[in-house]
Amino acid sequence: SQTIHQWPATLVQPVGSPLSLECTVEGTSNPNLYWYRQAAGRGLQLLFYSVGIGQISSEVPQNLSASRPQDRQFILSSKKLLLSDSGFYLCAWGTSGGYEQYFGPGTRLTVT
Amino acid sequence: QKEVEQNSGPLSVPEGAIASLNCTYSDRGSQSFFWYRQYSGKSPELIMSIYSNGDKEDGRFTAQLNKASQYVSLLIRDSQPSDSATYLCADGGYSTLTFGKGTMLLVSP
Repeated sequence: SQTIHQWPATLVQPVGSPLSLECTVEGTSNPNLYWYRQAAGRGLQLLFYSVGIGQISSEVPQNLSASRPQDRQFILSSKKLLLSDSGFYLCAWGTSGGYEQYFGPGTRLTVT
Repeated sequence: QKEVEQNSGPLSVPEGAIASLNCTYSDRGSQSFFWYRQYSGKSPELIMSIYSNGDKEDGRFTAQLNKASQYVSLLIRDSQPSDSATYLCADGGYSTLTFGKGTMLLVSP
């Protein structure tokens, strides 16, 4: 069966510091991978998605970037965090050509 | 830009009642729809998928799709306090999903 991992579970970072969140998927090959952010009281915002290694689509321009160095690894980064980057960051995977997505446990980021 | 609209709630129902959650979508060409359940502080969990007009049943859950009215609903029969959560409706597109903001359901004992 497929499993998706995210770490860390919680993170408190000062404004201006860098960020790296990692997501890995087990039990499937060539998955579609997604990064979402859910701010307090708001809906799910798609940040990036990838249909293959090195293929990244950005949905919202901001100070975040994403990379997919391996088939089942997806990384979300920032060089300098803003207060507005606080939120619940969720990684999800889906089958290539499919529509359903499955979420990881998430990382709760607080920027102070 | 696709849009999915949901009433934010909360929808309050007594234990044992039927909870009815609804959403509307903007893209007339959309073919696939999903319901996710999200407990407070947790990540969303896929509970139902529906791809064709009509009803789809899975245990206590029934998803309904009406493409002519661009309307999707989720019925939860015999609601339990453990069903209290936010329910997200999503419209499936090419490689991505468009989510509504969710409806909070509260089931009182």
